[in-house]
Amino acid sequence: EAQVTQNPRYLITVTGKKLTVTCSQNMNHEYMSWYRQDPGLGLRQIYYSMNVEVTDKGDVPEGYKVSRKEKRNFPLILESPSPNQTSLYFCASSSGGEVQETQYFGPGTRLLVL
Amino acid sequence: AQKITQTQPGMFVQEKEAVTLDCTYDTSDPSYGLFWYKQPSSGEMIFLIYQGSYDQQNATEGRYSLNFQKARKSANLVISASQLGDSAMYFCAMREGDFGNEKLTFGTGTRLTIIP
Repeated sequence: EAQVTQNPRYLITVTGKKLTVTCSQNMNHEYMSWYRQDPGLGLRQIYYSMNVEVTDKGDVPEGYKVSRKEKRNFPLILESPSPNQTSLYFCASSSGGEVQETQYFGPGTRLLVL
Repeated sequence: AQKITQTQPGMFVQEKEAVTLDCTYDTSDPSYGLFWYKQPSSGEMIFLIYQGSYDQQNATEGRYSLNFQKARKSANLVISASQLGDSAMYFCAMREGDFGNEKLTFGTGTRLTIIP
């Protein structure tokens, strides 16, 4: 089954404790992206990757890091989480190319930073 | 300026009625795509329908249709014969450009509640 998986699905942590949210896709997609969703703001792009070893900032990259060492994986790293990073996070992937190609979203990761 | 505007934070609709969710967009790129996603209370993002800027006809997918008015830059989602399971958050999103730009820009969403 074609899918994007994220782990963990729920996470409670404390300020300053480094964490990683994993994202994996099994569709051989070139493009992967991270979004965060906050009430009243919709989804905003954090980082994206066009291919292995190619990453770039989205609209709200501060406080986040990413890496793309393998095509299927695109982890999101919060090196020193703060309460304003409490949010719902989505990983997405697409094959890239034509504009009608939709992105496939993972199930989301709910993060609470105390 | 907002690239995607959804002016209805919430809507209540009687079951079996049709509902229109508004979306206006702003872009100077001649090539773009408009997407609608549904987010139920469980949280996942479900792709509903797509409309391309060069498409001559309005997109339809089952009970979903997109009322695309290019000159007015609007892409409203129409759900016919609403069902209780349609209660969810709905997001309009846009992707600009032909190739390479995969970024989706989202609106703030409309929470739709279907009343029995």
